[in-house]
Amino acid sequence: DSGVTQTPKHLITATGQRVTLRCSPRSGDLSVYWYQQSLDQGLQFLIQYYNGEERAKGNILERFSAQQFPDLHSELNLSSLELGDSALYFCASSAGTTSLEQYFGPGTRLTVT
Amino acid sequence: DAKTTQPNSMESNEEEPVHLPCNHSTISGTDYIHWYRQLPSQGPEYVIHGLTSNVNNRMASLAIAEDRKSSTLILHRATLRDAAVYYCILRLLKQTGANNLFFGTGTRLTVIP
Repeated sequence: DSGVTQTPKHLITATGQRVTLRCSPRSGDLSVYWYQQSLDQGLQFLIQYYNGEERAKGNILERFSAQQFPDLHSELNLSSLELGDSALYFCASSAGTTSLEQYFGPGTRLTVT
Repeated sequence: DAKTTQPNSMESNEEEPVHLPCNHSTISGTDYIHWYRQLPSQGPEYVIHGLTSNVNNRMASLAIAEDRKSSTLILHRATLRDAAVYYCILRLLKQTGANNLFFGTGTRLTVIP
């Protein structure tokens, strides 16, 4: 158990809909990262937050957004969903901006039908 | 981030040592070498990291070539639980705090009972 929790575990929704994925980092960790894993693209970095502020952006679509709240939990919002958004979404956390170890949650499996 | 090259797959017998190679000929002087693994149906898990010297921890050993253009992850006694995809990742510790990971395709390790 990494100490990172993600909810929900599974999500099934229809095209055009909007969903919110939630992540709670390990106790004391200030950085949160979101990754997407699909069969054809592998594991891809989406976005990083540190103590509420955005620190890095990867290949995140404009339809996707995220935020980190004062209690350090983070949410990833996916809107106007398409079939191709079906994937595993992982959240990871690390102690700070200089920590080299990231701890991953169990992921949320999103299926868009 | 500099690119790494790993074999797509490897096999090992249970209770034997496993040497997982990684080539990173374009590594820069400040790139750290990381290894993560992903067990089936789980999020990635940190294994080990190093900069120049060989490193040991409870999970594995990391042997880094003198010119740093390659490294080897060593599992001293493979168990069935070690069957996973192993990712070798180079990462520059950025002063901006943007420390996302770029995953390649990794090496799928099969452990034979």
